[in-house]
Amino acid sequence: EVQLVESGGGLVQPGGSLRLSCAASGFTFSSYWMSWVRQAPGKGLEWVANIKEDGSEKYYMDSEKGRFTISRDNAKNLLYLQMNSLRAEDTAVYYCARDFWSGDSDHFDYWGQGTLVTVSS
Amino acid sequence: DIQMTQSPSSLSASVGDRVTITCRASQHINNFLNWYQQKPGKAPKLLIYAASTLNRGVPSRFSGRGSGTDFALTIRSLQPEDFATYSCQQSYSIRATFGGGTKVEIK
Repeated sequence: EVQLVESGGGLVQPGGSLRLSCAASGFTFSSYWMSWVRQAPGKGLEWVANIKEDGSEKYYMDSEKGRFTISRDNAKNLLYLQMNSLRAEDTAVYYCARDFWSGDSDHFDYWGQGTLVTVSS
Repeated sequence: DIQMTQSPSSLSASVGDRVTITCRASQHINNFLNWYQQKPGKAPKLLIYAASTLNRGVPSRFSGRGSGTDFALTIRSLQPEDFATYSCQQSYSIRATFGGGTKVEIK
């Protein structure tokens, strides 16, 4: 059974840092792109970043480029999101999601339960 | 970035109603369009991918259509468990983007 379990969320002051983790199990982690998607309270879903199977390619939403860093440890089946210089508008539930890609489709087929990040003084 | 515009943002419907939600992309995305269902406090679930392919286990009352820039999700006969928020997402670009969501509420 595919499982994605996020951790690392919490309350952080503006300007602070946080590292989120996502533990993957039930599938060959190193064979899939992975993404982080967030959802601010009462708002829609917002894609944050993704990373290639071997970590050689990473992409970010334009507004977060430079503050967030996505990475992975395929030996430990872990996905990370390092978030620096956090702002109030980064307050959201952060989900990790498996990116299933085939020749004619690309979609998020499994999601974690999410971890809440609250940026407030 | 490719912008995704969903409408309506919310709707009220009764059990048994036919409901259609639309999603428009700011540029051509072929059929790289996915639909998700989300209930309060839960993670999104994949409903439809590649515009019209039902994910495993999704009831056949759900259907998707469209290509290019205009897409639609239809629920043929709304059931109590279908009251949720539905979001479209384009995967044509390496940087995915989502529509704003449509909340389907009980009338």
